[in-house]
Amino acid sequence: AQTVTQSQPEMSVQEAETVTLSCTYDTSENNYYLFWYKQPPSRQMILVIRQEAYKQQNATENRFSVNFQKAAKSFSLKISDSQLGDTAMYFCAFMASGYALNFGKGTSLLVTP
Amino acid sequence: DSGVTQTPKHLITATGQRVTLRCSPRSGDLSVYWYQQSLDQGLQFLIQYYNGEERAKGNILERFSAQQFPDLHSELNLSSLELGDSALYFCASSVDSWGRSTDTQYFGPGTRLTVL
Repeated sequence: AQTVTQSQPEMSVQEAETVTLSCTYDTSENNYYLFWYKQPPSRQMILVIRQEAYKQQNATENRFSVNFQKAAKSFSLKISDSQLGDTAMYFCAFMASGYALNFGKGTSLLVTP
Repeated sequence: DSGVTQTPKHLITATGQRVTLRCSPRSGDLSVYWYQQSLDQGLQFLIQYYNGEERAKGNILERFSAQQFPDLHSELNLSSLELGDSALYFCASSVDSWGRSTDTQYFGPGTRLTVL
């Protein structure tokens, strides 16, 4: 079974600063995908970024980037130039190819003015 | 807007009752997933359908069932409801090709179920 661990239940960052959210996972699979989803107060689940395990290059989407360390089974999310609208719960998720998502328990991020 | 729709948005019912949650996937998506988000259990996978057939089961109770219809919309049926079934229920969809799920699931807005 795959497990996903997010060790930071809550984090806070000031507007325009950079913050990194941590995620580790455990799997024996070789072909898998990793995701970060954002859940703002509206409770909508929004895909932030994804990473294919077979790709060594770290994924980037505008202000969001990941640091994927396959050997260490680590998948952290860096948010640059934080904005008030980034305030949300962030979930790290693992998906073995062809299966459902396994989610971590989430990190609540608060961006302050 | 993800393109996945769910109805109703909110549902309030009593213990012992039965409810049906509805999901319409993104246009062209063949796979539908149901997830439950509760305070104590977090986000859990319940069940997956692909093109009308059940593909995978997660932590779904026997009191819960689902189906996917020929037009690809899906329904999640919850019966003999208990207080602990109060949660946010999400539907997600993805495109399958050649029998494999692709790597991205898009979520609907969820149905908030309150059991009193």
